[in-house]
Amino acid sequence: GENVEQHPSTLSVQEGDSAVIKCTYSDSASNYFPWYKQELGKRPQLIIDIRSNVGEKKDQRIAVTLNKTAKHFSLHITETQPEDSAVYFCAAKNSGNTPLVFGKGTRLSVIA
Amino acid sequence: GAVVSQHPSRVICKSGTSVKIECRSLDFQATTMFWYRQFPKQSLMLMATSNEGSKATYEQGVEKDKFLINHASLTLSTLTVTSAHPEDSSFYICSAISRLGPQHFGDGTRLSIL
Repeated sequence: GENVEQHPSTLSVQEGDSAVIKCTYSDSASNYFPWYKQELGKRPQLIIDIRSNVGEKKDQRIAVTLNKTAKHFSLHITETQPEDSAVYFCAAKNSGNTPLVFGKGTRLSVIA
Repeated sequence: GAVVSQHPSRVICKSGTSVKIECRSLDFQATTMFWYRQFPKQSLMLMATSNEGSKATYEQGVEKDKFLINHASLTLSTLTVTSAHPEDSSFYICSAISRLGPQHFGDGTRLSIL
């Protein structure tokens, strides 16, 4: 089955700096890669996703890149703000009624 | 608005109690629902996959007799934690998927067993 590795587990950045979180996956059949932001006690919120037919996607301060050959995908947050502080999870899945497999999460702290 | 409704949001009960958690898809038919468990400071771990009208498929290490899943209709799946003990205390989150759509999450249920 799919295995998703995520690094780093914790990340502290100064407000205004960029943050990068990286994930790798094992199943070459995976074709959908979402990123979630989870605040304490709440459900994960989808912030951006990418499919395997695209190499990069951007939404304002958030971007995701995908390298299918290397089975890597990354989340980039620019101009970080204190409200970006949360736990971020990457995930992967293939087509059909298969579940998302999550990475272990990255706790991002943006220091004002 | 939420497309997956999960209830209750919070349960506190004594050891030995059985607890039922409901997950409903509000505006689509969910052919498949997933149940995840999240311990503090950990990731979401898949417990089981629930398909309407058939038995659930459990992940390795998840006791099917302890975590009973029923998916009797295309809009409702239930998870019953039987004879719950303190080690079952966790955040349980359901997720539903339609035939062609993305995976939507419920708000989660925080279960605390005293």
